[in-house]
Amino acid sequence: AQSVAQPEDQVKVAEGNPLTVKCTYSVSGNPYLFWYVQYPNRGLQFLLKYITGDNLVKGSYGFEAEFNKSQTSFHLKKPSALVSDSALYFCAVRDIADSWGKFQFGAGTQVVVTP
Amino acid sequence: EAQVTQNPRYLITVTGKKLTVTCSQNMNHEYMSWYRQDPGLGLRQIYYSMNVEVTDKGDVPEGYKVSRKEKRNFPLILESPSPNQTSLYFCASSLKGINTGELFFGEGSRLTVL
Repeated sequence: AQSVAQPEDQVKVAEGNPLTVKCTYSVSGNPYLFWYVQYPNRGLQFLLKYITGDNLVKGSYGFEAEFNKSQTSFHLKKPSALVSDSALYFCAVRDIADSWGKFQFGAGTQVVVTP
Repeated sequence: EAQVTQNPRYLITVTGKKLTVTCSQNMNHEYMSWYRQDPGLGLRQIYYSMNVEVTDKGDVPEGYKVSRKEKRNFPLILESPSPNQTSLYFCASSLKGINTGELFFGEGSRLTVL
């Protein structure tokens, strides 16, 4: 079985400061990991993914994430946050050992970037 | 424009009145899936489909039905809705393959069951 944990309900940072949103996962096999962002009254949008290869992956809007197998983590980062980054962020995992179609999402982290 | 379209976007109904939420994608994706979003619980997978006529249960399938008769459409059916099915529903689609898997989401359907 696969699971995802986002330990923080909310992350608040000032504009210009670095932003980190935490995600840890549990899978039986190897993970495919994803980050999505949801703006108010909208569907989720894909930010980035880790499938294999470099542990540091770069995605949309200046976001990046680091895959750490020993810590089973996939934290989302942005060096300098913008007010427009305020949104709900979801981490998701798919276990290679499980059915291709089964995705597990975390509960979400609300990011608030203050001017 | 590549998109996933859900209808209706908003619906208020009463307990027991059958309803269908439609989902259509124009990207020729093999994979489609339904999720419900509830505060504090994130997105939970209801059903998914790997291709036409192939559907499987997700984590919370009780009270829902789906069908996949055509590649582009994946309707979600609530035969006898109950108040605990009040939620925000999302349909998503994806190409199917080793190096893919990123989901494209619809705008959501907010359902209230009284």
